[in-house]
Amino acid sequence: DTAVSQTPKYLVTQMGNDKSIKCEQNLGHDTMYWYKQDSKKFLKIMFSYNNKELIINETVPNRFSPKSPDKAHLNLHINSLELGDSAVYFCASSQVFWGTGELFFGEGSRLTVL
Amino acid sequence: DAKTTQPTSMDCAEGRAANLPCNHSTISGNEYVYWYRQIHSQGPQYIIHGLKNNETNEMASLIITEDRKSSTLILPHATLRDTAVYYCIARTSYGKLTFGQGTILTVHP
Repeated sequence: DTAVSQTPKYLVTQMGNDKSIKCEQNLGHDTMYWYKQDSKKFLKIMFSYNNKELIINETVPNRFSPKSPDKAHLNLHINSLELGDSAVYFCASSQVFWGTGELFFGEGSRLTVL
Repeated sequence: DAKTTQPTSMDCAEGRAANLPCNHSTISGNEYVYWYRQIHSQGPQYIIHGLKNNETNEMASLIITEDRKSSTLILPHATLRDTAVYYCIARTSYGKLTFGQGTILTVHP
């Protein structure tokens, strides 16, 4: 069973469209994250939710809206897509936010905006 | 979180030990040293972490200097599947995980 799963794995869309990426973890973790890896391969944290509550929002444009319907899911909705949004988006989870536990990452969702 | 500095790239022969250095001269007393790796655009994978003492698990060993200003990740018998980008991160127990550029390790046959 995949611990952290994301869908879709690949997404190609036009500028201006709205799209969503879904993430689910079956580890029973309290905390989930979205990271973005751009073309230069830098991995940057975007959001973190702990028990469905937003605890990190790293000055991400408000076109990006995370939603956590329950502890096991953290979805990312992106409005009015721009060329610069092209990247690989990784979802991750950890047992708790405040602790030394490891993060478990999904396989990534590669978004291409044309 | 303290800044970490790693070499851009390293090579290692298959079967030999790979020793990946990391400098974290401004690390504070409550920051742990974490190592993750990313194999060819897959999701990053946790390897090991430590505070002061050396640590070992089934994947690797982590050697932290006494002054905690630097550390070394050791993969005892590198295989081709260990070719990846290795990230050294300093993080408190309540801080976010911030990735740097990492070291590209290439294991050669």
